[in-house]
Amino acid sequence: GAGVSQTPSNKVTEKGKYVELRCDPISGHTALYWYRQSLGQGPEFLIYFQGTGAADDSGLPNDRFFAVRPEGSVSTLKIQRTERGDSAVYLCASSLNGYQDEQYFGPGTRLTVT
Amino acid sequence: AQSVAQPEDQVNVAEGNPLTVKCTYSVSGNPYLFWYVQYPNRGLQFLLKYITGDNLVKGSYGFEAEFNKSQTSFHLKKPSALVSDSALYFCAVRDAGGYNKLIFGAGTRLAVHP
Repeated sequence: GAGVSQTPSNKVTEKGKYVELRCDPISGHTALYWYRQSLGQGPEFLIYFQGTGAADDSGLPNDRFFAVRPEGSVSTLKIQRTERGDSAVYLCASSLNGYQDEQYFGPGTRLTVT
Repeated sequence: AQSVAQPEDQVNVAEGNPLTVKCTYSVSGNPYLFWYVQYPNRGLQFLLKYITGDNLVKGSYGFEAEFNKSQTSFHLKKPSALVSDSALYFCAVRDAGGYNKLIFGAGTRLAVHP
């Protein structure tokens, strides 16, 4: 079946601009996660959704970052007033129920802020 | 706080030889441990997990991992390496906060030489 998909695959934006990154999870997965991976590092947790609600947003670095999942499926990560330090690969993952199950990752969106 | 350490940046092994990629962890409570692999320009792929039960866990592509509670380790192993196993490997531990948030190590690059 179809895996997790993310769009766009690459995004180049200027400092100060607003960007939206989209994630389509595996159908039927109630849990959705966003991670950020900088070069040479492991993924770092940003936010976790169970259904439509953000159950844990403790990883969002500041209030410029926001994510939504209005219908419990597709999620959008929104970054306002982008900074060069936001450049990274943003990974989305989904899992069946968000308890002990494994997470399935999408290919990521590479964000470059110039 | 939960943490994962992968002490080797890179592991080199000859094709056909056994391989080990090391991981140690620090958690409060019972550890839930995962291994993921990342190929170039692709998302993370789940290999295996330890939740409870047998200390030797078998996963995808012939990989296995040994959970050792006394040494707080979860090393990834394969009896006979393939050139196609060359990739970036990440160990992760589930956060003890009740959700499925994963905390990743920095990754180990495995290079299998013909």
